[in-house]
Amino acid sequence: DTGVSQDPRHKITKRGQNVTFRCDPISEHNRLYWYRQTLGQGPEFLTYFQNEAQLEKSRLLSDRFSAERPKGSFSTLEIQRTEQGDSAMYLCASSPRTSSYGELFFGEGSRLTVL
Amino acid sequence: AQTVTQSQPEMSVQEAETVTLSCTYDTSESDYYLFWYKQPPSRQMILVIRQEAYKQQNATENRFSVNFQKAAKSFSLKISDSQLGDAAMYFCAYRSRMDSNYQLIWGAGTKLIIKP
Repeated sequence: DTGVSQDPRHKITKRGQNVTFRCDPISEHNRLYWYRQTLGQGPEFLTYFQNEAQLEKSRLLSDRFSAERPKGSFSTLEIQRTEQGDSAMYLCASSPRTSSYGELFFGEGSRLTVL
Repeated sequence: AQTVTQSQPEMSVQEAETVTLSCTYDTSESDYYLFWYKQPPSRQMILVIRQEAYKQQNATENRFSVNFQKAAKSFSLKISDSQLGDAAMYFCAYRSRMDSNYQLIWGAGTKLIIKP
């Protein structure tokens, strides 16, 4: 088990382009979270999956953001028509069904820079 | 709504000394979890320590311990014998036991600098 992996680690794009990030959680972790983090701030919740079902989505999330988790394994986060304000670190975390307190296991993040 | 406040944007400590990071939270609930997570530079965030609100005993994990004051809604992290590898951002987080989505409420973080 190699932990949560995210790809790509860094992405530079021009304003208006679409980007997609991928997250591979720890196998058998049924919960998966996407967060956005800007410099010097705590993680900001974006969306949550339990298995393949997207159970919660931040009200702050514009409709340019969409996430999927087909078959309850890996997940993708797509940002359409990127804006400079989307520049941030995008973190993925997973949590096992067996954890009663919900420990999160994080990936190293995907850093997005929108020019 | 619950909130988590970390009032120290940055702290520094001499290597081998002890440092305490502060965290306060606001909730009307009585049953919840509190966490400290560590985020080293360019590395993933990891759980340092957790505390269940119904437990009076303060949690400890090796050099890391907490001072949980439920009535005061305070949850500080003490790091003893600080090491260079402790340099990181530290985030305090809260989770209601009633939240079936296991959603965390995060503080803004404290940057810990270790002076050699």
